[in-house]
Amino acid sequence: EPEVTQTPSHQVTQMGQEVILRCVPISNHLYFYWYRQILGQKVEFLVSFYNNEISEKSEIFDDQFSVERPDGSNFTLKIRSTKLEDSAMYFCASSEKLSTDTQYFGPGTRLTVL
Amino acid sequence: GEDVEQSLFLSVREGDSSVINCTYTDSSSTYLYWYKQEPGAGLQLLTYIFSNMDMKQDQRLTVLLNKKDKHLSLRIADTQTGDSAIYFCAESFGSSNTGKLIFGQGTTLQVKP
Repeated sequence: EPEVTQTPSHQVTQMGQEVILRCVPISNHLYFYWYRQILGQKVEFLVSFYNNEISEKSEIFDDQFSVERPDGSNFTLKIRSTKLEDSAMYFCASSEKLSTDTQYFGPGTRLTVL
Repeated sequence: GEDVEQSLFLSVREGDSSVINCTYTDSSSTYLYWYKQEPGAGLQLLTYIFSNMDMKQDQRLTVLLNKKDKHLSLRIADTQTGDSAIYFCAESFGSSNTGKLIFGQGTTLQVKP
């Protein structure tokens, strides 16, 4: 069964460093998402992406964050200058169609900012 | 605004039924979902219900939706130890048309043998 994959599974970085989290969505899916879950808190929406554009972003998704689909398979989340409070589990998701369609989630990347 | 709330913890005995509850505030939601998260894993979709339905049954899972009270529940019949996980309810909004999901904080289900 096709699945969303994410790499790395765990990333440790120093405050102020740039990180890129990578995702490979399901191949025929057109809509892509990033969510994050700070330990002990809710899963929070960050951004949705379709047709090489951001469809919607949350207040969390400030200028330090960017997303890109550099080729036909990868979908990346970049944090330009990490802060301690960026430490969280980051989930990528994809869906074939919008709103009515199931979002399939990857296993997540645990980001630890020291 | 959009908010989804769940109780944090539920403990049941193997073979019993489990009922996990969720309340939401935004009545414009179009779909409501239940996701399961096992330790170290991503979010696995269990089932979903369209907002104009009252009930949906899928094998051991029954979803009940009370739109008037903005209350959603997930009943797991004959709960097994393999059902131990965190269960998240989530809602999506057709009007926003971006697929954004709003999640509750998750209910940890502990199944005792």
